[in-house]
Amino acid sequence: DAGITQSPRHKVTETGTPVTLRCHQTENHRYMYWYRQDPGHGLRLIHYSYGVKDTDKGEVSDGYSVSRSKTEDFLLTLESATSSQTSVYFCAISESGTAAAGANVLTFGAGSRLTVL
Amino acid sequence: QQPVQSPQAVILREGEDAVINCSSSKALYSVHWYRQKHGEAPVFLMILLKGGEQKGHEKISASFNEKKQQSSLYLTASQLSYSGTYFCGTASGSARQLTFGSGTQLTVLP
Repeated sequence: DAGITQSPRHKVTETGTPVTLRCHQTENHRYMYWYRQDPGHGLRLIHYSYGVKDTDKGEVSDGYSVSRSKTEDFLLTLESATSSQTSVYFCAISESGTAAAGANVLTFGAGSRLTVL
Repeated sequence: QQPVQSPQAVILREGEDAVINCSSSKALYSVHWYRQKHGEAPVFLMILLKGGEQKGHEKISASFNEKKQQSSLYLTASQLSYSGTYFCGTASGSARQLTFGSGTQLTVLP
């Protein structure tokens, strides 16, 4: 199995508090992604990274920021958590992000369940 | 824009066949299929590339109609282990990321 570790796996927090989720990989893959999963919406991309210090927004990036200072770590931060950010967050990695090559098969982490009260 | 999956849910008996469809409004370079069991992470099943190349699962097949921007996943002689939610993910242009459909929940009963 690909080495992807998400932490924490479960977190309960209060509205207005900052939250950081961590994704750690041991595969040395270039691309890393954060998705959120909500009933009826499937998986929606929050942010992704195509290298150290190189990140870009996904379709639901408002209220989230990311950082990648090392190849192996991709952090997702909620600066001031809101109840609408209650969700399951999945990190994913891929070797390539080139759609034409079709090589961007994603491998997902186990997920982090966040509840904002 | 999110691809559209149909049906949203399907229930079948062990040994029966099922088809899950995925359509997009954009020209596609590739379509991916993933399966997620309850409480687990999505797992890669299949990738279909523009031009017809297909890589993936030995007991599950799929088609990709580039002109219609549609893909279908075929599960034949379903097994109990096929139960889960199936997601298609589409990639278009030079996009480095996949956009996923909302999922099809498949339940296989004994």
